[in-house]
Order: sequence, then structure tokens, then C-alpha cells
Amino acid sequence: GAGVSQSPSNKVTEKGKDVELRCDPISGHTALYWYRQSLGQGLEFLIYFQGNSAPDKSGLPSDRFSAERTGGSVSTLTIQRTQQEDSAVYLCASSIDRENTEAFFGQGTRLTVV
Amino acid sequence: GQSLEQPSEVTAVEGAIVQINCTYQTSGFYGLSWYQQHDGGAPTFLSYNGLDGLEETGRFSSFLSRSDSYGYLLLQELQMKDSASYFCAVRKAGTALIFGKGTTLSVSS
Repeated sequence: GAGVSQSPSNKVTEKGKDVELRCDPISGHTALYWYRQSLGQGLEFLIYFQGNSAPDKSGLPSDRFSAERTGGSVSTLTIQRTQQEDSAVYLCASSIDRENTEAFFGQGTRLTVV
Repeated sequence: GQSLEQPSEVTAVEGAIVQINCTYQTSGFYGLSWYQQHDGGAPTFLSYNGLDGLEETGRFSSFLSRSDSYGYLLLQELQMKDSASYFCAVRKAGTALIFGKGTTLSVSS
């Protein structure tokens, strides 16, 4: 596609439910990142995929968070047993490869846990 | 790990020049990037410094001193549309971009 696509754009869920957030990176981009941004805050790194290498999961805040990337393209971020503190905008980005510093961001998924 | 420090807020008037500083601590360094984010929007790439010195792109310039672990973004001829958050980011070899907490720039007329 022309850019990084994320879905849904907005998600409201009840506390304790599981949610899946989807990211479709730019075609041909081997590097994919997930970040979390709370209101007025910075970008908190969550997880990084690079090609077929093992992902860097060092930013995941708890074992309720997991992500996968199928076929080196689409990625899904899953949050289990959501908590109110999980409410934030979840941003996905991709770049051509691990050496390239220009990351292209999607518009994000705004998650609200009620 | 990595850490980046940048001012939380900067204010300026139209036509002025503003400098946003960024200091970083990281083991293994691959370069310093700058991103802009308008309210409600996605971050967009502005510039990258892999080597010491100044990079210029139109009204924006970015500087890096690796020996001082320091960089800055210089915005000239400020316009109202430059009101946004600006993030510095470092890449450590083999890992993701790590972002600072961002600097909110407010430009007034």
C-alpha cells in the first residue's frame, strides 16, 4: 500500500477483554515497530521485528502483551485481559530495513479500556 | 539501555529561530533522528545525522556531536504550522528506534 495502515482506528473495550490491533506495513519494508503513546506523552517502544530475525520484545510492559508478524508483512499486537492503564494510542511504523533510520508511521489505534 | 533528554516545552513567535536540544546516553550508537508530530497526527521523519556536523533541509537543520552525545534541531523562520511536538530518536545497532519524550513547540503570532 501507499503507507502504513492500522486497524481499527478506534477501539473501546471493557476491562478484562482481549484486543487485537493490526498493522499493515509499507510493501517491501522489512523492519516493523510498535510504540505506545499516552496522552501528551512520548513514544514508548514496545516491540521490533526485522526480517526473519527474532523480534526485540524488550519494550513489552507485561506478559499480557504479545505480537506476531506473519510472512514478514502484517503484524498483530495482542493485549490480553486489558486494564485501564492500557488506554493509549498504539502506533505502528515500518522502515525499509534495519539500517534505515526513516520510519513511516501509521495513524495509530486509539484504545480505550472502560 | 538508552535514554534521551530534551526540553518538554519551547515557545517562540513567528519568524523567530528556535533550537531544540537533545542529549542521549546509549551503548552503541547508530545515529540521531528527528520527528515531528502534530496534534492527533502520526510522527513524520524530519532529519537524520549519522556523522558529526550539520544537516540542512530547508528551514530545518539538525546537528550532531557524537563526542558530546548531543544534538539539536534548529527551526528557522518559524511559522504557525510549526507548532507541534518534536522528538529526537536514537538507533542502537540492531534494535529499534528509541524516542525521547518530545518537545512541544508553540509558535504565536
